[in-house]
Amino acid sequence: GAVVSQHPSRVICKSGTSVKIECRSLDFQATTMFWYRQFPKQSLMLMATSNEGSKATYEQGVEKDKFLINHASLTLSTLTVTSAHPEDSSFYICSAGRPYTAGELFFGEGSRLTVL
Amino acid sequence: GIQVEQSPPDLILQEGANSTLRCNFSDSVNNLQWFHQNPWGQLINLFYIPSGTKQNGRLSATTVATERYSLLYISSSQTTDSGVYFCAVDSNYQLIWGAGTKLIIKP
Repeated sequence: GAVVSQHPSRVICKSGTSVKIECRSLDFQATTMFWYRQFPKQSLMLMATSNEGSKATYEQGVEKDKFLINHASLTLSTLTVTSAHPEDSSFYICSAGRPYTAGELFFGEGSRLTVL
Repeated sequence: GIQVEQSPPDLILQEGANSTLRCNFSDSVNNLQWFHQNPWGQLINLFYIPSGTKQNGRLSATTVATERYSLLYISSSQTTDSGVYFCAVDSNYQLIWGAGTKLIIKP
C-alpha cells in the first residue's frame, strides 16, 4: 500500500515558539494532502486541504495565519503552528491520496504537539 | 451535510471473542473507509469499501450502500485489536468521520 510519513512524531515546545510538521508521501505523488487535528477522545477534524503549488483551503474556524500550510512539491506538505499556545496542544495527522484511486486516503503516523 | 454514526461507542471483549461494529451514514456516498487507530494514535487503513464485502485475515467488512450502512467484523479478537475504529465516508474527496468505536480486548 501507499506510505505516508510524518515527522516529528512527538514535539514539546515553549509557548510562543513555532513548530513545523512534515508530511511526505514516500512512494507516490500526492497532488492533494489533508491535515487533521484530533483532540483527546474525539474523532478527527479536517483543518485544511493542501494542493501542490497553490494556497491551502482552510476549514471554517481554522486560523490560516496560525496554521501555515505549504505544499511545495508533490511529495511534501508542511504544517507550521505559529506562536504556539497550550490550547494548540493536540494530535495532528496528515493524509494523502494516490492519483486515480477515487478518494482512498492514507495517513501519516501523526504528530503529538505539547505546548508548555 | 452527511452524518456518520457509529455504534456501539464502547466495546469490551475477552480475547477470542467476535465483534461487529456498525457505521450508518445519512446520504449516498462515493466510498467508505474503515480505520483502526492504535493506542499510540497511528491510523491504519483497514478497508476501502464503497460497496460489497471484503476480507483481510480475521477482519471483514460489508457495505450496503442502498441501505446506507457498513459493518466491520472482527473474529477471534486479539489484544492487539484494541484501539478506536473509525469509519469515514467520502464527500468530494474529503472524509466525514464517525465518532469511533473504542474497542478493548482483555487477555
